[in-house]
This record gives sequence, C-alpha cells and structure tokens, in this order.
Amino acid sequence: NAGVTQTPKFQVLKTGQSMTLQCAQDMNHEYMSWYRQDPGMGLRLIHYSVGAGITDQGEVPNGYNVSRSTTEDFPLRLLSAAPSQTSVYFCASSWDRKNTEAFFGQGTRLTVV
Amino acid sequence: AQSVTQPDIHITVSEGASLELRCNYSYGATPYLFWYVQSPGQGLQLLLKYFSGDTLVQGIKGFEAEFKRSQSSFNLRKPSVHWSDAAEYFCAVGQLNYGGSQGNLIFGKGTKLSVKP
Repeated sequence: NAGVTQTPKFQVLKTGQSMTLQCAQDMNHEYMSWYRQDPGMGLRLIHYSVGAGITDQGEVPNGYNVSRSTTEDFPLRLLSAAPSQTSVYFCASSWDRKNTEAFFGQGTRLTVV
Repeated sequence: AQSVTQPDIHITVSEGASLELRCNYSYGATPYLFWYVQSPGQGLQLLLKYFSGDTLVQGIKGFEAEFKRSQSSFNLRKPSVHWSDAAEYFCAVGQLNYGGSQGNLIFGKGTKLSVKP
C-alpha cells in the first residue's frame, strides 16, 4: 500500500522556470491538499480539492496552479518559479472532509535559485 | 481567524523523563484537534485526534493529549520519553469551510523535541 506518493523528492529550479510537483494516492480519497512548510512557519495550505474536477484556494495560493482530473492525482504547478517559493511541499489526502486522518506524502524539497 | 499557537519552539528532555508539549487554539466552534509528528526528512504522521467525547485521548507511541475547552488548549503528554521520540511535533485544528464542503487543517509552527541520553 503506497499511500501518498510525491515526486520528485528534490528539485532545483532557476528563477522563471516552470515545473509540476506530482502527487498520487491509492486510497481512493476524495480530499487532497497541498501544503508548503517553511522554517518556523509550520505548514500552510496552498490549494485543495474535494474531488475530481473541483479545486479551491488555500491560505497561500499565489504563484501556484492545480487541477484534479482524476481521484488519484493532484499535481501542483509552478508557472514561473521565484526564490520565495523555495520550500518543502507536502501533499495530503483524506477520506473525509474533517481530515479525520490525513495521510501525508514524504515531501518535495524545492530550491529556486 | 482560526489559529494554533505552540509556545515552545524547541524543548530538550532527558530520556525517561516526562514530556508535555503545549498547544493553544483559537476557534469559534467545537474544534477538531490533532497532533502530528514529523521525523527528519519525513512526512507527517498522525499521533492522535480529538473530535468529541472523552477529553483525554490516547494515541500511538504512548502519547496522550487532553482537551481543555476553558483554556483553549490541547497539550500533548508522554510519561517517559524515548530517544526515538526526537522529532518535530505539530498541533493542528481542523476547520470546515463555509458550506462545509471541505475541512482544512491549520497548523501551529511546531515544537522540536530533542532527547538527551
């Protein structure tokens, strides 16, 4: 049982480049979310989805896009990377809207130079 | 706005000593409360949660937490710490958006636990 899988684990980008962080879950969860973790800041919600075709913004959505074409996948796109987006990104999924038990991926460490 | 405060950034305890990590929340309705643990280079793992009922909840790895509505607190405790407990601990409150279609987690900034041999 893989749970929540994020790829890549590490990435270095140049300012202005674009890339997609992948997230896949095999638990048939409807609810998926993206967080970023910065030192001393905890985790902050970027975008979330309540099911295929439905997404919404979280606390810090600027500079990021998401889509949800399938239940399993929830990619996060950086359109034009900026140094302020250097962070560790976590994808999470949950079977219910209360996040009774949210499962987290192992994270993607992104550095923008 | 809902918020979670973890007053201690870093705590060091001796192996075998007791542990209490503090968490205070600000939330208008009955909160859903969680504690997560993050080992270095890993994702977050759920330790325990409170939704309703008994205010003392038991979790994995010998942890427990007590919900105190009057103090808006949800402190995490362990009677005897093991070296493997060294990690970062996050308290979170779950909130439902308007319309109740999605619950999101609001995290505290975390408390790093170091364990002395």
